[in-house]
Amino acid sequence: QVQLQESGPGLVKPSETLSLTCTVSGGSISSYYWSWIRQPPGQGLEWIGYVYFSGSTDYNPSVKSRVTISLDTSKKQYSLKLTAVTAADTAVYYCASFSGGYRNYFDYWGRGILVTVSP
Amino acid sequence: DIQMTQSPSTLSAYVGDGVTFTCRASQSISIWLAWFQQKPGRAPKLLIYDTSKLQSGVPSRFSGSGSGTEFTLTISSLQPDDFATYYCQQYNNSPFTFGGGTKVEIK
Repeated sequence: QVQLQESGPGLVKPSETLSLTCTVSGGSISSYYWSWIRQPPGQGLEWIGYVYFSGSTDYNPSVKSRVTISLDTSKKQYSLKLTAVTAADTAVYYCASFSGGYRNYFDYWGRGILVTVSP
Repeated sequence: DIQMTQSPSTLSAYVGDGVTFTCRASQSISIWLAWFQQKPGRAPKLLIYDTSKLQSGVPSRFSGSGSGTEFTLTISSLQPDDFATYYCQQYNNSPFTFGGGTKVEIK
C-alpha cells in the first residue's frame, strides 16, 4: 500500500518559486509514475505533471515553461518546483501516483498541502 | 487537450435514490476514464477505472458505463456517505484532464 505525504512552505511570495516534496512509503519507487495535481480553492483538479523512475517526465502545457518535477530515489522522495508564481497558483497541491501503461489513473494520493501565493 | 465536461454541476437527491451523472469527452478516449469521489478537505478517492471497473473496497452500488466520448456514473441507492463531489478523469492522452465535477447534495 503506497502512502504519500506532501511537505513544504504554505506561503510563497509572487514571482518566487514554489517548492514541494512528496515522501513515498510502502511501495517501490520504481513501480509507479509520480505525479503532482493541484486544486485551486473551490475549483476542480488540474494535473501538473509526472516523473518516472527512469527520469522521464511529462508536464501539462499550461505550466510546462515553469515546472520541474524530479525524483530522489535514495530518499524515496520526489519534488515539484514551480517558478514565477502568481495568485493563480494558489491551490491545494496533491502528490499522486499511477502505474503506467494503460493504468494511468491515480490510485494513490497524498492528503494535500495548501500553498497560498501572497506578498 | 481533451476537454471533459460533467453534468449536472449539482444534483440534489434523497438517501435511497438512484442517481446517474454524465461525463463527456471532447474527443474519443476509448474506455480510459476514471471516476473519483471527493469530500470537503480530503483528497480525491478512486472509485472506478477503465470506465467500469470498481476499485477494491468500493461498494457495488457504484457503477460506470460508456465508451468513446460519453460516460456515466450511477449510484444505485444513495447512502449518507455518498454526498460528495464526483470527478471524471481521462487518461487516454496527455495532458490528463479532469471534468469540472458534479456535487451531490442532500435534498
